[in-house]
Amino acid sequence: GDSVTQTEGQVALSEEDFLTIHCNYSASGYPTLFWYVQYPGEGPQLLFRASRDKEKGSSRGFEATYDKGTTSFHLRKASVQESDSAVYYCALSEAHYAQGLTFGLGTRVSVFP
Amino acid sequence: EAAVTQSPRSKVAVTGGKVTLSCHQTNNHDYMYWYRQDTGHGLRLIHYSYVADSTEKGDIPDGYKASRPSQENFSLILELASLSQTAVYFCASSRQGANTEVFFGKGTRLTVV
Repeated sequence: GDSVTQTEGQVALSEEDFLTIHCNYSASGYPTLFWYVQYPGEGPQLLFRASRDKEKGSSRGFEATYDKGTTSFHLRKASVQESDSAVYYCALSEAHYAQGLTFGLGTRVSVFP
Repeated sequence: EAAVTQSPRSKVAVTGGKVTLSCHQTNNHDYMYWYRQDTGHGLRLIHYSYVADSTEKGDIPDGYKASRPSQENFSLILELASLSQTAVYFCASSRQGANTEVFFGKGTRLTVV
């Protein structure tokens, strides 16, 4: 079945540091890839998505590029702020979209002033 | 703004008891989902539905039932709650399509004692 692997379980950074969260996927077809962010006490919310090879998704200074060759969708931000502290989930959705999203395990990002 | 409302927001249940978690959406979405969130497991799909009066099993349906009496409402039922079902449960909704955004509620924290 489909799967998503996030390498980092937890990341601790200082403000203005560069953030990278690695995401690799395995899917039988051509999935749409997503990054969701979850703040304390809230449900996950969409950060951005990409549906085609080499497509870049971006929002709020975060970005990721769909790479079908390496089956990756790594999240990057050049300069993090304390308000970026949250849990980040990489996810995919395939043609059988009725079955919802397949999520990675999530990466907890803590940014310290 | 899309809205998914879950009730209750937290609950303590006794082992062997029956638990019903409720979800209401005002998005006019056909698709609704129940996810379970655990540390170390991320978000996993329990049940989903794409039309009223019909539900489908997700990846981890054992020990759970679902009910979709109308487009707006989707319930998750634990007939015999067990300690292993202690978790945070999220309801979500979406339109049709693999690249569509999924909207989540704020979650229900269930503790089984």
